[in-house]
Amino acid sequence: NAGVTQTPKFQVLKTGQSMTLQCAQDMNHNSMYWYRQDPGMGLRLIYYSASEGTTDKGEVPNGYNVSRLNKREFSLRLESAAPSQTSVYFCASSEYRWKQLNTEAFFGQGTRLTVV
Amino acid sequence: ILNVEQSPQSLHVQEGDSTNFTCSFPSSNFYALHWYRWETAKSPEALFVMTLNGDEKKKGRISATLNTKEGYSYLYIKGSQPEDSATYLCAPDILTGGGNKLTFGTGTQLKVEL
Repeated sequence: NAGVTQTPKFQVLKTGQSMTLQCAQDMNHNSMYWYRQDPGMGLRLIYYSASEGTTDKGEVPNGYNVSRLNKREFSLRLESAAPSQTSVYFCASSEYRWKQLNTEAFFGQGTRLTVV
Repeated sequence: ILNVEQSPQSLHVQEGDSTNFTCSFPSSNFYALHWYRWETAKSPEALFVMTLNGDEKKKGRISATLNTKEGYSYLYIKGSQPEDSATYLCAPDILTGGGNKLTFGTGTQLKVEL
């Protein structure tokens, strides 16, 4: 079972370059999320998508854009990378339905991004 | 920004000790409270999802309780083992107009020493 798959696993960018992080899930989940992990900061929510065609900002959306291409895929784009965006990025998905109890999130393996 | 606080930030215990952590969160628009275990160089994995005030859940030596009225949850580990060493994250699942929004606390880093 693949679960949540992120690509790439590692990436080095120069300041000002752009790139897209890809995320796909095969669990038919409605909700998908992008987080960044920084030392001492835990996981901070960048953007989330409650369903196909909808996206909303999280805690730290500046410098990022997202696309919920279809139910399976949720991509994160850095238009002009900055050193402050050096981080480990995690994608996650969960099954959200009203009154649904089993809404645990499943995470991808992470993308380690370095901006120089 | 949702204010989710976890304490302590870090904890060192000896093998066999029992320990507990706290997660506090705003109680308005509450839907569920998640606990995750996050080992170094791996991805977070869910331990519990709790929704009702007074909920108690247990998985082996780990258990959790939930108080939605006052906005806190406790995670307990009985007889800690070295393999319990990890960061434990809580995340309140808050209802927004567009669906649920899973926001994490900064975590409690547990190290269990022999």
